[in-house]
Amino acid sequence: DAGVIQSPRHEVTEMGQEVTLRCKPISGHDYLFWYRQTMMRGLELLIYFNNNVPIDDSGMPEDRFSAKMPNASFSTLKIQPSEPRDSAVYFCASSFGTGTSNYNEQFFGPGTRLTVL
Amino acid sequence: GENVEQHPSTLSVQEGDSAVIKCTYSDSASNYFPWYKQELGKRPQLIIDIRSNVGEKKDQRIAVTLNKTAKHFSLHITETQPEDSAVYFCAATPNARGKLTFGQGTILTVHP
Repeated sequence: DAGVIQSPRHEVTEMGQEVTLRCKPISGHDYLFWYRQTMMRGLELLIYFNNNVPIDDSGMPEDRFSAKMPNASFSTLKIQPSEPRDSAVYFCASSFGTGTSNYNEQFFGPGTRLTVL
Repeated sequence: GENVEQHPSTLSVQEGDSAVIKCTYSDSASNYFPWYKQELGKRPQLIIDIRSNVGEKKDQRIAVTLNKTAKHFSLHITETQPEDSAVYFCAATPNARGKLTFGQGTILTVHP
């Protein structure tokens, strides 16, 4: 398996533009997480899905952020309109939560480095 | 919700020395405590984890201890090597299948 795949790896955009980040989880994983990492705020969970259903979106900063998971192999995080303070590295992670084990490692993707000018 | 505090924020050691990173958590229901290592420009990766029914766990040069009464857990790295240099994050959760709350991270530098 190639692991969690994210695209693009780098994105530079201007304030006010729409940004869409993409994630393909590891095949068979049923949990998907979106994180944002900045120096000031560290690693923050934005939203997570279980079986394509959003479970907790309390970390989504505001209405400009939205996330979807239309099927088990694809998720998007959209920012519209983008602002300079959205500049960060955005990680997607997936895990396999089903089965006898109660504790499941989250596998992170390589991240998307977003710069909003 | 859960709150995780991690100390120190930076740690500098000589190669061969030991390094200790400490975390405290607020939610007494938390029962799973993973540690992630993130090298510069890379993704976080799990290096060790501990469950609330265990007080200590070792894996070669790394170990984690948990004190549920005091609500703190620690990462111990012995015989440090330059390749141990990275940012280390602790995390806690009452539901290991869901949300992890991360500490702020510790930048560990091992000098040759």
